[in-house]
Amino acid sequence: SQQGEEDPQALSIQEGENATMNCSYKTSINNLQWYRQNSGRGLVHLILIRSNEREKHSGRLRVTLDTSKKSSSLLITASRAADTASYFCATVLSGNTGKLIFGQGTTLQVKP
Amino acid sequence: DGGITQSPKYLFRKEGQNVTLSCEQNLNHDAMYWYRQDPGQGLRLIYYSQIVNDFQKGDIAEGYSVSREKKESFPLTVTSAQKNPTAFYLCASSIAGAGYEQYFGPGTRLTVT
Repeated sequence: SQQGEEDPQALSIQEGENATMNCSYKTSINNLQWYRQNSGRGLVHLILIRSNEREKHSGRLRVTLDTSKKSSSLLITASRAADTASYFCATVLSGNTGKLIFGQGTTLQVKP
Repeated sequence: DGGITQSPKYLFRKEGQNVTLSCEQNLNHDAMYWYRQDPGQGLRLIYYSQIVNDFQKGDIAEGYSVSREKKESFPLTVTSAQKNPTAFYLCASSIAGAGYEQYFGPGTRLTVT
């Protein structure tokens, strides 16, 4: 089973609305990262949140981390058509900082 | 202009042939990674290297091989032993290990028929 699982798998909203994506994981982490992937392209790093942090912001992005529930959420406010992409969470396990483990991703469509 | 490059963008091979995918970075990063992505799926780690002349198997290393002779380069060979090689291959680098953000190349789409 996956270390990181995103929910929902797909999300469709209107431009200007907020989009929330959730990520759950199973074992203790060192940090959790969110990435964006436009269709057929490489991934772009969005935010890294460490296990001792609860919330981070970057522009219109807000990430929260709840280690007691082993979950994280990514909020995109005032979405734009250009935000249409797949979003992945990835975890770095405690005691093993050599690799990232990716979830299956959430596909976001923002309609103009 | 710093970044990570992969070539070629599209690659076609016949079954039974080995093929090598190129990955180069000029970010002076110590760590490099190879991932495989299948349609509608997340990324799965093939191999990673945290320092020159050293690399470790990821979750799906069977049928693949790598080398890390130079800091800037981390080529991936898809061998004929890989049962289902058709996929999108992504290379990434980070300053030092997965505790830091990873920078991704544009990917190589390999089709084997």
